[in-house]
Amino acid sequence: ETGVTQSPTHLIKTRGQQVTLRCSSQSGHNTVSWYQQALGQGPQFIFQYYREEENGRGNFPPRFSGLQFPNYSSELNVNALELDDSALYLCASSLRGQGLNEQYFGPGTRLTVT
Amino acid sequence: AQSVSQHNHHVILSEAASLELGCNYSYGGTVNLFWYVQYPGQHLQLLLKYFSGDPLVKGIKGFEAEFIKSKFSFNLRKPSVQWSDTAEYFCACPPQGGYFGSGTKLNVKP
Repeated sequence: ETGVTQSPTHLIKTRGQQVTLRCSSQSGHNTVSWYQQALGQGPQFIFQYYREEENGRGNFPPRFSGLQFPNYSSELNVNALELDDSALYLCASSLRGQGLNEQYFGPGTRLTVT
Repeated sequence: AQSVSQHNHHVILSEAASLELGCNYSYGGTVNLFWYVQYPGQHLQLLLKYFSGDPLVKGIKGFEAEFIKSKFSFNLRKPSVQWSDTAEYFCACPPQGGYFGSGTKLNVKP
């Protein structure tokens, strides 16, 4: 079975720019969650997508947006980048309907905003 | 507000020592609790989970955790750690995406 993959691995952007991060779910999974992990902290929930619709959102501003595609892959878009957006962005997939949301994480995308 | 807190930020143990990492949660709904582990250079992966039933749950690699509802706790334990347990450990509580604690870095000295 194919695990969760993310691209790119690393990214450097300038403040004010926009960025798109991509995630391919584990085979058979229908739910994708995105997290931001700042240095020395635990993952912070950004939002979750199920069947192409947002299914919950953490405490992040609207400039953080996402998409889920029919094949359950997903994108995270961040507009008007700020220095504090520098972090590791994690994608996790799961199969909703199996009771617990046991999530499988990707390796993350390291975003640096200068 | 919903939250998860981990008390120990950095723990250093010698091999064969016993381990207990604290986790407390604040959540009013149905509680499902997880411990995830991140070995150096690897992805976050599930260590164990509590759904319902027996409050003592066993996970991979000899880890276990006990859900104590009255204390809002879900502490992780291992009777005898190994050097290969060196990693960062995160406690998490859903709903939806889940709330993660800030993590505990465990360093096991050989």
